[in-house]
Amino acid sequence: DGGITQSPKYLFRKEGQNVTLSCEQNLNHDAMYWYRQDPGQGLRLIYYSQIVNDFQKGDIAEGYSVSREKKESFPLTVTSAQKNPTAFYLCASSIYGGNTEAFFGQGTRLTVV
Amino acid sequence: DQQVKQNSPSLSVQEGRISILNCDYTNSMFDYFLWYKKYPAEGPTFLISISSIKDKNEDGRFTVFLNKSAKHLSLHIVPSQPGDSAVYFCAASPAGYGGATNKLIFGTGTLLAVQP
Repeated sequence: DGGITQSPKYLFRKEGQNVTLSCEQNLNHDAMYWYRQDPGQGLRLIYYSQIVNDFQKGDIAEGYSVSREKKESFPLTVTSAQKNPTAFYLCASSIYGGNTEAFFGQGTRLTVV
Repeated sequence: DQQVKQNSPSLSVQEGRISILNCDYTNSMFDYFLWYKKYPAEGPTFLISISSIKDKNEDGRFTVFLNKSAKHLSLHIVPSQPGDSAVYFCAASPAGYGGATNKLIFGTGTLLAVQP
């Protein structure tokens, strides 16, 4: 089945450590996105990539980094520079271009302990 | 400043009745709007969209209404079913981007509970 897969579902990190969240899609979509969801807030865009080897900062990119070496994969690294990393992270993909719906993964809940 | 607002955090409706979820926006330059539905422990899934050139779009039990002068859109679900119980997000896109995902501004979501 085509879809978008995030792993792990739950992740615990000690303060000061970097951690990488995985996102893989087999929908042959050009564009991929990372969002963060906090209680009482809407989804906020961290980074997005419209094509392999290219990515752009979203609204809240500070403390995060991404790579897009393959069309299918868009991993997100939460670095120690991110001051409030505890959140629910959602990855999405879409056909590049407007008026197209995005397909979301199931999310990763990151908790800093 | 929240440009897309869903002022009702939750809504409870009886099965078979109409559910009305509301969304207000402040930016008059938004021209494309979407609704996403999210079940617990799952990612959001696209539900329905509307362009600002329309004031209504219908898909089965789901209808979205857009009132541009009031900067307000609503999602109607008729009849409501227990399986509709989920969080509903509205999202808006600025003009010129055709609803491109990277330009979407999401609301905070409304939790709909449909009681059997």
